[in-house]
Amino acid sequence: DTGVSQNPRHKITKRGQNVTFRCDPISEHNRLYWYRQTLGQGPEFLTYFQNEAQLEKSRLLSDRFSAERPKGSFSTLEIQRTEQGDSAMYLCAPGVRGTGESGANVLTFGAGSRLTVL
Amino acid sequence: SQQGEEDPQALSIQEGENATMNCSYKTSINNLQWYRQNSGRGLVHLILIRSNEREKHSGRLRVTLDTSKKSSSLLITASRAADTASYFCATPYSGYSTLTFGKGTMLLVSP
Repeated sequence: DTGVSQNPRHKITKRGQNVTFRCDPISEHNRLYWYRQTLGQGPEFLTYFQNEAQLEKSRLLSDRFSAERPKGSFSTLEIQRTEQGDSAMYLCAPGVRGTGESGANVLTFGAGSRLTVL
Repeated sequence: SQQGEEDPQALSIQEGENATMNCSYKTSINNLQWYRQNSGRGLVHLILIRSNEREKHSGRLRVTLDTSKKSSSLLITASRAADTASYFCATPYSGYSTLTFGKGTMLLVSP
C-alpha cells in the first residue's frame, strides 16, 4: 500500500481521443507531482502542485496536457487528442516539503496509470 | 532532461551475492536518493545521502557518494529474489522543486 490511489490502472484508447487520470492521496499532502515513464526509462517530471496551485510545468508538458487539483487533495491529469507518443505510465507522487533529511523532497509514488494509444 | 545515469543497465546475479550499481550525475547536488521499482509498480524510496556524507547504511543497503567524481553507488548485500527490481538514482532537478531520475539499473536475482 503506497498511500496513493491512481485510476484507471490501465487505459487503452485510440489516437485522437481524450483521456483523464485521477490521483487520490490517502492522507493530506500539500505537494503533488505528476511524472511520466516510458519503457526502459526513468520517470520524467511533468508538473507540480502546491495545494491547489499548479506552480511548475515541465517543458515536456505540451498544450494537450492539463492538470488540476481543485481542492488541494485529489488531482487529475487530462490528455487531449492523444498521440501514440503519449503511451506511457503516468505516475502521481504526493510529497511534503521537508520530508527526509536536509528538507529534501522524498517522493511516494502511486502504482501509476498505464496509457496505451493505438 | 535526466541528470543521473545508472550503470550497468542490467545486472543478473544469484541469491546471496552482492549487487553493486552506480550512478553518475552532472551538476552539484545537496543530496542524492535511490529508489526501487518492482515490475509494473510505482517507485519506492530506499535511502537518501546528503552531499556532506560519504557513506550511509540502511539494512542490507550501503550507499556511497563521491561529490568530486559526481558519482554514487548502491550496494545490496546478500541479495534475495525479492530484490529483483529496477533501481534508480534521483537528484534535485535544477530549476524545479522536484527530482530528476536516471534510466535505472534492472537487477535480476535468481534463486
